Amino acid sequence: DGGITQSPKYLFRKEGQNVTLSCEQNLNHDAMYWYRQDPGQGLRLIYYSQIVNDFQKGDIAEGYSVSREKKESFPLTVTSAQKNPTAFYLCASIDRANYGYTFGSGTRLTVV
Amino acid sequence: EDKVVQSPLSLVVHEGDTVTLNCSYEVTNFRSLLWYKQEKKAPTFLFMLTSSGIEKKSGRLSSILDKKELFSILNITATQTGDSAVYLCAVEGGYSGAGSYQLTFGKGTKLSVIP
Repeated sequence: DGGITQSPKYLFRKEGQNVTLSCEQNLNHDAMYWYRQDPGQGLRLIYYSQIVNDFQKGDIAEGYSVSREKKESFPLTVTSAQKNPTAFYLCASIDRANYGYTFGSGTRLTVV
Repeated sequence: EDKVVQSPLSLVVHEGDTVTLNCSYEVTNFRSLLWYKQEKKAPTFLFMLTSSGIEKKSGRLSSILDKKELFSILNITATQTGDSAVYLCAVEGGYSGAGSYQLTFGKGTKLSVIP
């Protein structure tokens, strides 16, 4: 079945460590997105990528980095510069031809 | 700056009640408005609205868009406990060239349906 796979589902890290969240899709979608969700907040856009080897900052990109070396993969690195990294992270992709967003199941990151 | 505002932020109703959730927006280069239901993890798609005044229905859920007044409503009739979730409204817009739209989400409405 086609879909988006995020891993791991739960992640614990010590403060000051970088951590990379995985997002893989086999939907052949060009555009991929990373969102962050905090309690009582809507989804906020971190980074997005429309094509391979290109990505753009979203509303809250500080302290995060991404890469898009392959169409299928859009990993997100949460760096030590991110002041409040504990959150739920969602990856999404869009099929522009049929106009549908697909979300992964999310990664809950806890920094202690 | 693009903005999506949902109201109310939370709502508690009894089974069988009808509820109306609101979403107002301010975005440049509006393309579409989407409603999602989020229970535990990833949001699941409900509706996509692009034209004013055309109601979309799926079972007990329906939604309509008013592009003149810049808002949408999501109606749920005969609510059930399984409808308990956070309902997210998102607007696609802010075109920046090369097919690059952004999706801006509201904070969501938390609906609790009690037996």
